[in-house]
Amino acid sequence: QQQVKQSPQSLIVQKGGISIINCAYENTAFDYFPWYQQFPGKGPALLIAIRPDVSEKKEGRFTISFNKSAKQFSLHIMDSQPGDSATYFCAATEGYSTLTFGKGTMLLVSP
Amino acid sequence: GAGVSQSPSNKVTEKGKDVELRCDPISGHTALYWYRQRLGQGLEFLIYFQGNSAPDKSGLPSDRFSAERTGESVSTLTIQRTQQEDSAVYLCASSLLPDSNQPQHFGDGTRLSIL
Repeated sequence: QQQVKQSPQSLIVQKGGISIINCAYENTAFDYFPWYQQFPGKGPALLIAIRPDVSEKKEGRFTISFNKSAKQFSLHIMDSQPGDSATYFCAATEGYSTLTFGKGTMLLVSP
Repeated sequence: GAGVSQSPSNKVTEKGKDVELRCDPISGHTALYWYRQRLGQGLEFLIYFQGNSAPDKSGLPSDRFSAERTGESVSTLTIQRTQQEDSAVYLCASSLLPDSNQPQHFGDGTRLSIL
């Protein structure tokens, strides 16, 4: 049973555009929602994270929007750049932080 | 090095052989995690260590998989009698404390291929 559903599976965005990746979760006990960025041949790296007591968090060009009632959260990448091309994973956790990951979104930002 | 180190980076072995994968966490990190990443899939939790003990082994897929951690540092993941479905990237992560306030830092993984 997949507890975190991520979409789309792949995404192509033009340079300067907005990339949007969505995730939905089922477990209402989740209390921490990080996004990871992974380049080919590398391990995932924490990008940005949010807790359910806020509806939005922004760090530079990256914004998480969180909708607790809908059990959904999304990553927005503003002014997308070719260097942002990577696979993005949403995740969720509760308690001692065993992460449950979505299946990933492969983002390609075209020059 | 300052990050999580995993070795080997690549491992090719024949079906039925045993393999051992190694993880060196960031110094001082008490929590250590193993994940498996199959091609085109998300990360699948395998096991978590707090210090040298493993409070959560629920993700280990079968009794062919085992892991240990010694000296609150290095951890090894052992897969016995490997099968083709074991082919994946095995990722290790560590965090200062087993707390969602502490981010998990990942190594670059071991890419395991079973022929």
